[in-house]
Amino acid sequence: GAGVSQSPRYKVTKRGQDVALRCDPISGHVSLYWYRQALGQGPEFLTYFNYEAQQDKSGLPNDRFSAERPEGSISTLTIQRTEQRDSAMYRCASSLFSGGASDTQYFGPGTRLTVL
Amino acid sequence: AQSVAQPEDQVNVAEGNPLTVKCTYSVSGNPYLFWYVQYPNRGLQFLLKYITGDNLVKGSYGFEAEFNKSQTSFHLKKPSALVSDSALYFCAVRDMGGGYNKLIFGAGTRLAVHP
Repeated sequence: GAGVSQSPRYKVTKRGQDVALRCDPISGHVSLYWYRQALGQGPEFLTYFNYEAQQDKSGLPNDRFSAERPEGSISTLTIQRTEQRDSAMYRCASSLFSGGASDTQYFGPGTRLTVL
Repeated sequence: AQSVAQPEDQVNVAEGNPLTVKCTYSVSGNPYLFWYVQYPNRGLQFLLKYITGDNLVKGSYGFEAEFNKSQTSFHLKKPSALVSDSALYFCAVRDMGGGYNKLIFGAGTRLAVHP
């Protein structure tokens, strides 16, 4: 079946512009996660949704970052007034259950964001 | 706080030889451990996980990992490496602190398998 999809795969923007990154999880998956991965590092947690409810946003670096999942399926991560330090790979993952400790997260291909 | 360490930036191994990619962890309570692999221009792919039970966990593509509680390690292994195994490997632990949902990743180990 189809895996997690993300769009766009690559995004180049100018500093100060807003960007929206989209994630389409595996069908039927309850939980959705966003991570950010800098070059040479492992992914770092940004935020977590259980259905449409954003239950953990402790990893969002500042208030320029926001995320939503209004119908409990597709999610959008929005970065306002982008800065060069926002350049990274943004990864989305989904899991079948409600974030249980043993639940497996399945990742999408990521969106490579470059802020000029 | 939970953490994961991958002490080797790169591991080099000849095709056909056994491989080991090391991971150590620090958690409070029982650990939930995962290995993922990242191929170029592709997403992170799940390989295997340890939740409870047998210390030797078998996963995809012939990989296995050994959980060692006394050494707080979860090393990834394969008896015979293939050139196609060359990729970036990440160890991760489930964050049992603030919530049950976050994964905490190591910095990754690049595996290079030479013909």
